[in-house]
Amino acid sequence: AQSVTQPDIHITVSEGASLELRCNYSYGATPYLFWYVQSPGQGLQLLLKYFSGDTLVQGIKGFEAEFKRSQSSFNLRKPSVHWSDAAEYFCAVGPSGGGGNKLTFGTGTQLKVEL
Amino acid sequence: KAGVTQTPRYLIKTRGQQVTLSCSPISGHRSVSWYQQTPGQGLQFLFEYFSETQRNKGNFPGRFSGRQFSNSRSEMNVSTLELGDSALYLCASSQGDNTDTQYFGPGTRLTVL
Repeated sequence: AQSVTQPDIHITVSEGASLELRCNYSYGATPYLFWYVQSPGQGLQLLLKYFSGDTLVQGIKGFEAEFKRSQSSFNLRKPSVHWSDAAEYFCAVGPSGGGGNKLTFGTGTQLKVEL
Repeated sequence: KAGVTQTPRYLIKTRGQQVTLSCSPISGHRSVSWYQQTPGQGLQFLFEYFSETQRNKGNFPGRFSGRQFSNSRSEMNVSTLELGDSALYLCASSQGDNTDTQYFGPGTRLTVL
């Protein structure tokens, strides 16, 4: 069965500092990988996704993620965090091939940004 | 382009009642997925509908059901509500292929008393 682990429940960074959120997955084949962000009272917004090809993926709002097959990881990074980045971040894995849309989410990482 | 809309946004019910939640996808999207979000269990997949057919199903009891109409709008129903059904219910729509971006609605907050 597929699963996603986000080891950090809470992370606090100072505005302007770099950020890395960790994500490890378990999946039988090459997975489709996603990062979503959720602000309070809002739905989820897709930051970026990986299906194949270049293992460094660029997303919206200056985020990027790197797929490392050997480590089963898909960590999210941002070089300089803004106060508006404070939110909850979810890593997710989905079926490759023709499996339809069925995402398995990690438990999320709550990001706090100190001014 | 209008986003995914969910109605109602907030709902309070009592144990034993049933509830129906509605999701209107983005125009042209044929896939609608439903997720339950709780503090204890996180985000869990309920089911996905594509072209009026259930394409995927999560591990929820039969009290949770859904359907999709010809205009791609979807409803989910929970019968015999339990306290543990209190959650944020999110729906997401996409064009249908699993490489397409899923766009999430704001959710329906269900409280069961």
